[in-house]
Amino acid sequence: GDSVTQMEGPVTLSEEAFLTINCTYTATGYPSLFWYVQYPGEGLQLLLKATKADDKGSNKGFEATYRKETTSFHLEKGSVQVSDSAVYFCALRSSVGSARQLTFGSGTQLTVLP
Amino acid sequence: GAVVSQHPSRVICKSGTSVKIECRSLDFQATTMFWYRQFPKQSLMLMATSNEGSKATYEQGVEKDKFLINHASLTLSTLTVTSAHPEDSSFYICSFRGGTEAFFGQGTRLTVV
Repeated sequence: GDSVTQMEGPVTLSEEAFLTINCTYTATGYPSLFWYVQYPGEGLQLLLKATKADDKGSNKGFEATYRKETTSFHLEKGSVQVSDSAVYFCALRSSVGSARQLTFGSGTQLTVLP
Repeated sequence: GAVVSQHPSRVICKSGTSVKIECRSLDFQATTMFWYRQFPKQSLMLMATSNEGSKATYEQGVEKDKFLINHASLTLSTLTVTSAHPEDSSFYICSFRGGTEAFFGQGTRLTVV
């Protein structure tokens, strides 16, 4: 079945540091890929997505590129801020089936120190 | 984006009691919703999928008599954990599907003592 493997945390960085959170996936067909972010006390929010190979999703300075050859969708940001502290989830949605639910990675806790 | 309200955010209950978790969409209607569960250091795992007006479809290994899902309307879904046991302690999160997007509640941390 489909699966998502995500870099384990927690990750602690200083403000303005470079961030990479690794994500690889296993899926049949051509899934859509997502990064969700969960700030303390809030629900998961869509951060960015990519629906086909070589697409780059971007939002709020974060980027991730859909790499079919390496089955990866790594999240990057050039300069993190304290306000980026949150839990980040990589996810995929299969291209097969009717309900097309999301399959998630285990989440990565990011803490950015001032 | 759309807002989904889930409560309670935290609940502690005694073993053998039942707990109801409510999930409400505040500004849109959705025919499909999902309930997920997350154990420590593990992925969010899908428990069940339901469509408004029909019975939920449960994933393999999820007991439908223990986790009662009521998709009462296009804006309200509830998950009741019946006769809870310590192994049911987990993080439960609901999700409504609106078009091509999924919108999530804040999650409920259930601790059974």
